Amino acid sequence: GQSLEQPSEVTAVEGAIVQINCTYQTSGFYGLSWYQQHDGGAPTFLSYNGLDGLEETGRFSSFLSRSDSYGYLLLQELQMKDSASYFCAFDNYGQNFVFGPGTRLSVLP
Amino acid sequence: SAVISQKPSRDICQRGTSLTIQCQVDSQVTMMFWYRQQPGQSLTLIATANQGSEATYESGFVIDKFPISRPNLTFSTLTVSNMSPEDSSIYLCSVDRGSSYNEQFFGPGTRLTVL
Repeated sequence: GQSLEQPSEVTAVEGAIVQINCTYQTSGFYGLSWYQQHDGGAPTFLSYNGLDGLEETGRFSSFLSRSDSYGYLLLQELQMKDSASYFCAFDNYGQNFVFGPGTRLSVLP
Repeated sequence: SAVISQKPSRDICQRGTSLTIQCQVDSQVTMMFWYRQQPGQSLTLIATANQGSEATYESGFVIDKFPISRPNLTFSTLTVSNMSPEDSSIYLCSVDRGSSYNEQFFGPGTRLTVL
């Protein structure tokens, strides 16, 4: 089958660094994507890893290791506005698009 | 990026009725997607809609229950038919940025409550 696993909740303080892990199971996929969703809002695209390694976009970085079936999203210099749900997702070779269960990040002052 | 609008933003419907949700994009796109999301839960893909062809439905979703139209490259509709309280959810449309699914832009969603 195909599935993704994420921690359900993560809590961190402002200014800190937090890592949200994503492990997955699939027979094949193009890459791993990350989306942010604030309460009551629509998901917004954050990052995509088509190849193994680290992708950096401002305060956000994402990592993929296909050999370990593992990826993570790294958020640096946390701000209160980063409090949201974060989803990893993959495209199963064009057959469908699967989202992980989501991680709710709470940033404390 | 793409700007996506959905109508209605929310609705309360009676059991057994149908609701059609509209999704409008400000630019032509190849693929449009329809998702369902229970509050606090993940997103589940219902179907992929390409212009000029029938929608492709994911396991657990059927055309009779969720008929989809895609009359042109900027517009799609999803109908939730013969509704039951279990259909209460947020329905989101999205479009892809290019030829892959990997970067999608989402509409604001339609919050549906079935009584």
